[in-house]
Amino acid sequence: GAGVSQSPSNKVTEKGKDVELRCDPISGHTALYWYRQRLGQGLEFLIYFQGNSAPDKSGLPSDRFSAERTGGSVSTLTIQRTQQEDSAVYLCASSLGTSGPQYFGPGTRLTVT
Amino acid sequence: DAKTTQPNSMESNEEEPVHLPCNHSTISGTDYIHWYRQLPSQGPEYVIHGLTSNVNNRMASLAIAEDRKSSTLILHRATLRDAAVYYCILSAWNTGNQFYFGTGTSLTVIP
Repeated sequence: GAGVSQSPSNKVTEKGKDVELRCDPISGHTALYWYRQRLGQGLEFLIYFQGNSAPDKSGLPSDRFSAERTGGSVSTLTIQRTQQEDSAVYLCASSLGTSGPQYFGPGTRLTVT
Repeated sequence: DAKTTQPNSMESNEEEPVHLPCNHSTISGTDYIHWYRQLPSQGPEYVIHGLTSNVNNRMASLAIAEDRKSSTLILHRATLRDAAVYYCILSAWNTGNQFYFGTGTSLTVIP
């Protein structure tokens, strides 16, 4: 079946602009996660959605970052007033529940100039 | 967030078994042990996971110490396609299963 998809695959933006990154999870997966990976580093947890529960936003680095998940499916990560340190690959993952494997998308590479 | 410790890098000859260690001395009773690998320019790929008992699947085996403070990922016959960064991750199913990645082990497979 279809895996996790993300769009766009690459995004170049100017410092100060807002960007939106999209994630389509695997159908039927109730849990959705966003991570950030800076060049040469491991993944950092950003935010987690589970069903209709309030999201866990504990990993968001600043109030410029926000995310929503509409209808329990598609999610959008928004970064306002982008800074150069926001340049990274943003990865989305989904899972059936909260104890099983997470399946990752290919990521969106964000470059802030 | 529970921490894991892995060697920064390892090498293996092609066709030989590889044992990738991970220490997680602060593991709690609700933590699952996950292993993922990441090839260059790709998202992480699920390898295997377990709670207390050893696990086997088509990709690998996971050996979990009796006290659960360490685990070993076993690739039975390394191939060139197994060259990747391998991450050992603990996640607590009762608080959301968020993954906190360390720096992982970079595996080099020598032909």
